[in-house]
Amino acid sequence: EDQVTQSPEALRLQEGESSSLNCSYTVSGLRGLFWYRQDPGKGPEFLFTLYSAGEEKEKERLKATLTKKESFLHITAPKPEDSATYLCAVQAGGGGSEKLVFGKGTKLTVNP
Amino acid sequence: DSGVTQTPKHLITATGQRVTLRCSPRSGDLSVYWYQQSLDQGLQFLIQYYNGEERAKGNILERFSAQQFPDLHSELNLSSLELGDSALYFCASSASTVRAPYEQYFGPGTRLTVT
Repeated sequence: EDQVTQSPEALRLQEGESSSLNCSYTVSGLRGLFWYRQDPGKGPEFLFTLYSAGEEKEKERLKATLTKKESFLHITAPKPEDSATYLCAVQAGGGGSEKLVFGKGTKLTVNP
Repeated sequence: DSGVTQTPKHLITATGQRVTLRCSPRSGDLSVYWYQQSLDQGLQFLIQYYNGEERAKGNILERFSAQQFPDLHSELNLSSLELGDSALYFCASSASTVRAPYEQYFGPGTRLTVT
């Protein structure tokens, strides 16, 4: 069964204090690994897709990386507006379904 | 704005009742997915439709059903509602199932409260 585990569950940072969020996964044939940002009461907002080990993607203060067993979301010099829950999800290949299997998320709080 | 729309935003109903949640995918997207998000379970896949046909089912209860119409909008029907069905229900859509990119874009959700 495909599984995604995210750590830590919650993270508090001071503005400007860089850190990383972890996403460990087990999946039968990874088709893609996805990062989303979710604000309270809102729908997940797509951030990145990573397809193969060694791949990296960047957007503003965020950088996502992928290995064969885990992905990291690096946040450089965060600002209070980066406060949100960050979700990681995997999609397995093999046909039949393109469902996403989500982790439970990391709740990030950035204090000014 | 993801381009995926969902109505209604909020729904309050009593146990035993039936409700219908509606979703319009992004223009041109053929695949629609439904997910349930509760505090303790996180985001859980319910069901997927592709161009009007059911493609995959997750842990969807027998009391729940869905369909996708010729104009590609989708409806999720929840019946014999129980207190435990209270949750956020999200619809997502994607452009392709066989060629990258595969990312799914989520709507704003429907918050269902069963009293």
